[in-house]
Amino acid sequence: GQQVMQIPQYQHVQEGEDFTTYCNSSTTLSNIQWYKQRPGGHPVFLIQLVKSGEVKKQKRLTFQFGEAKKNSSLHITATQTTDVGTYFCAGRAGGTSYGKLTFGQGTILTVHP
Amino acid sequence: GAVVSQHPSRVICKSGTSVKIECRSLDFQATTMFWYRQFPKQSLMLMATSNEGSKATYEQGVEKDKFLINHASLTLSTLTVTSAHPEDSSFYICSVTLAGGPGYNEQFFGPGTRLTVL
Repeated sequence: GQQVMQIPQYQHVQEGEDFTTYCNSSTTLSNIQWYKQRPGGHPVFLIQLVKSGEVKKQKRLTFQFGEAKKNSSLHITATQTTDVGTYFCAGRAGGTSYGKLTFGQGTILTVHP
Repeated sequence: GAVVSQHPSRVICKSGTSVKIECRSLDFQATTMFWYRQFPKQSLMLMATSNEGSKATYEQGVEKDKFLINHASLTLSTLTVTSAHPEDSSFYICSVTLAGGPGYNEQFFGPGTRLTVL
């Protein structure tokens, strides 16, 4: 079945440093979504990427979708302590625009002040 | 977006008992809801897709007789963990998908239910 791999599993940064997490799918994706889960909380939707090579920005966050629609990345510029949490990518299989998502393992981000 | 609630938020039960978890879509009629399980510091694992008015679709390896899902209305799905055992202790989260246009489907998650089986 479809597998979504995410690296790194853990990332510790000093406040102000940049952070990147990468996501790779074993199959071509219809779309990919990114979620953030704060400690003790539930996943909260950040963004969805649909088009090959798509790049979207949300303030200090930059999301990319690979040309082959099999990989994606999330980059945070100048991290802040409020960025702490686990970031998950979640892919939807190619050919479907509705239905289940397969989540990556997540990257746990710790930001040291 | 969609607002999703879950009840209870936490439950502690004895081994062998059954526990029912409710997932409600408060402002959106959801024909489909998803149930996930998350172990500490791990990813979300899809357990089943709950379909209103029909049987749930279970993922491979998930026992349908142990995790009973009922989606009796467009706003309520329930997950019952039958004869719970300590290894069933986990964080159970439901979600609904809101269609926002062609190819655009955002998932809204409930706050989750933390189950501890003693």
